[in-house]
Amino acid sequence: TQLLEQSPQFLSIQEGENLTVYCNSSSVFSSLQWYRQEPGEGPVLLVTVVTGGEVKKLKRLTFQFGDARKDSSLHITAAQPGDTGLYLCAGLPEPDYKLSFGAGTTVTVRA
Amino acid sequence: GAVVSQHPSRVICKSGTSVKIECRSLDFQATTMFWYRQFPKQSLMLMATSNEGSKATYEQGVEKDKFLINHASLTLSTLTVTSAHPEDSSFYICSASGQGPNQPQHFGDGTRLSIL
Repeated sequence: TQLLEQSPQFLSIQEGENLTVYCNSSSVFSSLQWYRQEPGEGPVLLVTVVTGGEVKKLKRLTFQFGDARKDSSLHITAAQPGDTGLYLCAGLPEPDYKLSFGAGTTVTVRA
Repeated sequence: GAVVSQHPSRVICKSGTSVKIECRSLDFQATTMFWYRQFPKQSLMLMATSNEGSKATYEQGVEKDKFLINHASLTLSTLTVTSAHPEDSSFYICSASGQGPNQPQHFGDGTRLSIL
């Protein structure tokens, strides 16, 4: 069983639409990271959230860390074809030092 | 930003060959490096954690004699797939994190290993 439940697994939307990806757990995380990965490449770090209730914005991407530090969401506004990729959430469960990954969300944005 | 270089990016070799993959942190010291395996359209599966100057810690089900890990310096870790077979074909990715709490992991670009 995975520590982080990521949903949905697949998401296909039209350019200009909004989307949200969720990561949920019953465990508390000292930090949570979001990555985007393109085929044949390694994951690229988008953001790290550390504080419960924290909201971070990266252009059209908004990341939220739950108050209890057990869940997180990634919201993309006005998605573009360049946003296409595999989005991975990964958390550091207290007091572990090993990242626990969600199953990933494959996002496809159609032009 | 932190850069992790992984080499080679792609390897194709015959069954029975041993293959070495290198992972380097280029602009920071990585006390801990991680090795992952990833199957198509799936998430990353942690294989082992390597700490500089000590033995690697392997995840359950990962054969330590099959996947040899060496972390000889604060900027280099290597993964050697010994006597590789077709079932070892996969995408292998390393990551490195710096010292201190809540340090994010930075990933290399991965190595596509294909065993014929």
